[in-house]
Amino acid sequence: AQSVAQPEDQVNVAEGNPLTVKCTYSVSGNPYLFWYVQYPNRGLQFLLKYITGDNLVKGSYGFEAEFNKSQTSFHLKKPSALVSDSALYFCAVRDVSGNTGKLIFGQGTTLQVKP
Amino acid sequence: EAQVTQNPRYLITVTGKKLTVTCSQNMNHEYMSWYRQDPGLGLRQIYYSMNVEVTDKGDVPEGYKVSRKEKRNFPLILESPSPNQTSLYFCASSLSIKSKAFFGQGTRLTVV
Repeated sequence: AQSVAQPEDQVNVAEGNPLTVKCTYSVSGNPYLFWYVQYPNRGLQFLLKYITGDNLVKGSYGFEAEFNKSQTSFHLKKPSALVSDSALYFCAVRDVSGNTGKLIFGQGTTLQVKP
Repeated sequence: EAQVTQNPRYLITVTGKKLTVTCSQNMNHEYMSWYRQDPGLGLRQIYYSMNVEVTDKGDVPEGYKVSRKEKRNFPLILESPSPNQTSLYFCASSLSIKSKAFFGQGTRLTVV
């Protein structure tokens, strides 16, 4: 069965420091991977995706993610965190093998950036 | 502006009283779906639709119905809501099953 795991419920980082939010996945076939961010009382906003190509994917708001096939990971990164980056982050994989198109989400990681 | 619109944003209702949460998208997307978000569980798919008149169950369909009579609309129907359906609901649409999804603002439903 396809699954996504975000091993950390919360990540704390000081403003200006680099941040990493971890994600590992388990899929059959090629993965279609996504990161979304959710601000309080808002819907999910797309950050970036990996379908194929370069392992380092650049997205919105200065975020990037590195696809690592051997480690089945897709960690979200940012070189210098901002207080405004504080939010709930979800990693997700598209189920294309079963043709349902379902997004399978991780449990979410709360990012707290302190001034 | 490209968007997915859900209504209402907040709803408190009583057990057994039928309700509908509307969802509309203006991007001519074929693929639409409903998710519920619960603490510690992330988002789970309730129903999805590949196109008009084509719908299918997701992971947690019990107690829900959907319809897709027009491409832009995908309402979620709770015929007889129960307290375990208290949750935050999101509608999403995408161009295809491989594309990024656009999400609505969410509907916070409380069933008492």
